[in-house]
Amino acid sequence: AQSVSQHNHHVILSEAASLELGCNYSYGGTVNLFWYVQYPGQHLQLLLKYFSGDPLVKGIKGFEAEFIKSKFSFNLRKPSVQWSDTAEYFCAVTLGYGQNFVFGPGTRLSVLP
Amino acid sequence: SQTIHQWPATLVQPVGSPLSLECTVEGTSNPNLYWYRQAAGRGLQLLFYSVGIGQISSEVPQNLSASRPQDRQFILSSKKLLLSDSGFYLCAWDGGQGAPEAFFGQGTRLTVV
Repeated sequence: AQSVSQHNHHVILSEAASLELGCNYSYGGTVNLFWYVQYPGQHLQLLLKYFSGDPLVKGIKGFEAEFIKSKFSFNLRKPSVQWSDTAEYFCAVTLGYGQNFVFGPGTRLSVLP
Repeated sequence: SQTIHQWPATLVQPVGSPLSLECTVEGTSNPNLYWYRQAAGRGLQLLFYSVGIGQISSEVPQNLSASRPQDRQFILSSKKLLLSDSGFYLCAWDGGQGAPEAFFGQGTRLTVV
């Protein structure tokens, strides 16, 4: 069965530091990839997604992610984090249309002012 | 536009009592529907998913059950709650073919006492 792993359980950064959150999946076929964010007290929101084409995907709030097929990875990046980026981040994979999502365990990001 | 409603937002129930959480989707037809649980420190866990009326798949054997009496209604139930059922429950939907990203409800914070 496919699975998704996220490298870090909890990341603590100072404002203006660069961010990279790792995500790896275990399926060799065509996948759709997503990053979701859950801010404290709010529901899950989509940050960005990759279906096909340019492997470097830009999302909302200055986030981007790069799909590296050979490494089965879809890492999330942001060059300079803000305190408001404090949230939990989930990587997710689906095999395509009509297929259910598989989520990673999540990475909690704490940004110190 | 499509919206998803999930209620109640918070619930405190005694051990051994029944449970019914309801989720409805508007603005789409024949969605895939999901129930997830987000337990502290454990990320998102897929509990049930449904691709159509009366079609329920269970990912994790447990004390819970799900039903889909109508196309856009998904219900999570339990006959007798356990302390370990406490958590944050999320309903989600995706459009299957043509719209593979998932959209989440606001969630229900369940505390079993």
